[in-house]
Amino acid sequence: AQKITQTQPGMFVQEKEAVTLDCTYDTSDQSYGLFWYKQPSSGEMIFLIYQGSYDEQNATEGRYSLNFQKARKSANLVISASQLGDSAMYFCAMREGPPIAGNMLTFGGGTRLMVKP
Amino acid sequence: GAGVSQSPRYKVAKRGQDVALRCDPISGHVSLFWYQQALGQGPEFLTYFQNEAQLDKSGLPSDRFFAERPEGSVSTLKIQRTQQEDSAVYLCASSPRDGTNTEAFFGQGTRLTVV
Repeated sequence: AQKITQTQPGMFVQEKEAVTLDCTYDTSDQSYGLFWYKQPSSGEMIFLIYQGSYDEQNATEGRYSLNFQKARKSANLVISASQLGDSAMYFCAMREGPPIAGNMLTFGGGTRLMVKP
Repeated sequence: GAGVSQSPRYKVAKRGQDVALRCDPISGHVSLFWYQQALGQGPEFLTYFQNEAQLDKSGLPSDRFFAERPEGSVSTLKIQRTQQEDSAVYLCASSPRDGTNTEAFFGQGTRLTVV
């Protein structure tokens, strides 16, 4: 079974509107972490936001927020007030196990977001 | 430098040629990861170093792939006798000290094309 599923290969959003990128995950670990990365055409993976499995509040970083629904095993990324520079690939990733050195990330297949002017 | 640096950015290799890809992690970072990203897909884990020790190489696809980090800083991923299926972007990531793994910093990657 896929550990990280991103069901939207591509998404369009109008500039200045909000958009939600879906991510569901599968793990039997009690301790895990969920990440979102942005990958523009330049290729670099840019860290956006992190949510730990024991964090009770949804993570927020500026215009980014993570809608964490533990029982449903979903970790959707919400981008508010979309900007043209938000056009990129977005990847959801999971670290299984506690936040110690060595636990690698498992990535989903990504969602391409295109912001329309 | 301030971030993770990878070189070369682009590499074209003839099938059967050996290649070496370099990663300069953020200074002082203990953990270093290599990932392989095929076109249109998410990155997949290759191998992990803690300082100079290679603690996990379960993701290396074949014995043609070899990685080292002899002094616990710069790392090199070597691919011997390259095949067309090796064409991908190779990403390096580093993380700070032990006990924290809430963020991994990635380089821009090396795009390898095997012709």
